[in-house]
Amino acid sequence: GAVVSQHPSRVICKSGTSVKIECRSLDFQATTMFWYRQFPKQSLMLMATSNEGSKATYEQGVEKDKFLINHASLTLSTLTVTSAHPEDSSFYICSARDRLAGGYNEQFFGPGTRLTVL
Amino acid sequence: QKEVEQNSGPLSVPEGAIASLNCTYSDRGSQSFFWYRQYSGKSPELIMFIYSNGDKEDGRFTAQLNKASQYVSLLIRDSQPSDSATYLCAVMGDTGNQFYFGTGTSLTVIP
Repeated sequence: GAVVSQHPSRVICKSGTSVKIECRSLDFQATTMFWYRQFPKQSLMLMATSNEGSKATYEQGVEKDKFLINHASLTLSTLTVTSAHPEDSSFYICSARDRLAGGYNEQFFGPGTRLTVL
Repeated sequence: QKEVEQNSGPLSVPEGAIASLNCTYSDRGSQSFFWYRQYSGKSPELIMFIYSNGDKEDGRFTAQLNKASQYVSLLIRDSQPSDSATYLCAVMGDTGNQFYFGTGTSLTVIP
């Protein structure tokens, strides 16, 4: 199956700093990438949908100025958590949809990034 | 977020038994339905998808979809301890740009 990578896999930062997370589709082109956040023992919450070359669509309640998403190419999307605070500590997961897959629109998930804000 | 509901569990079944996982969704326009398995600290992995009413079988797994009742289920036959995980139901809307997960059901298969 298609492979999606995320970098870094784990990051610890101080409160007030910004953290960038990269999501890459390694062997396919992804017109759409999704960013999720998962708190312990909870399900994945969709934060935003990112389409290549256009602005991301954010879910209700997600601050677009705090969670900056850039989808500059068909294989790369980045999520920047600006001025991170301890409540932003979470497991961030991206997924990508293969532009050529058609059909059932399967999403391929990255391995996730564990963010801890001290 | 669209509503996708699952029993949180935990659900415990003995090894070799059938595990039944249920999911309901609120958006009638939803087109595709997915079941994912997630181990602790890992990202979800796809088990199977379904988009037509009825049953779809893949090995030990059977997905069942009833769009009229807005209900999708997953049956796991001959459950194994390695099946112990959280199972997530996911629903994709009609535009393909909306993809929402249920709350997840924790399954434990007892040897």
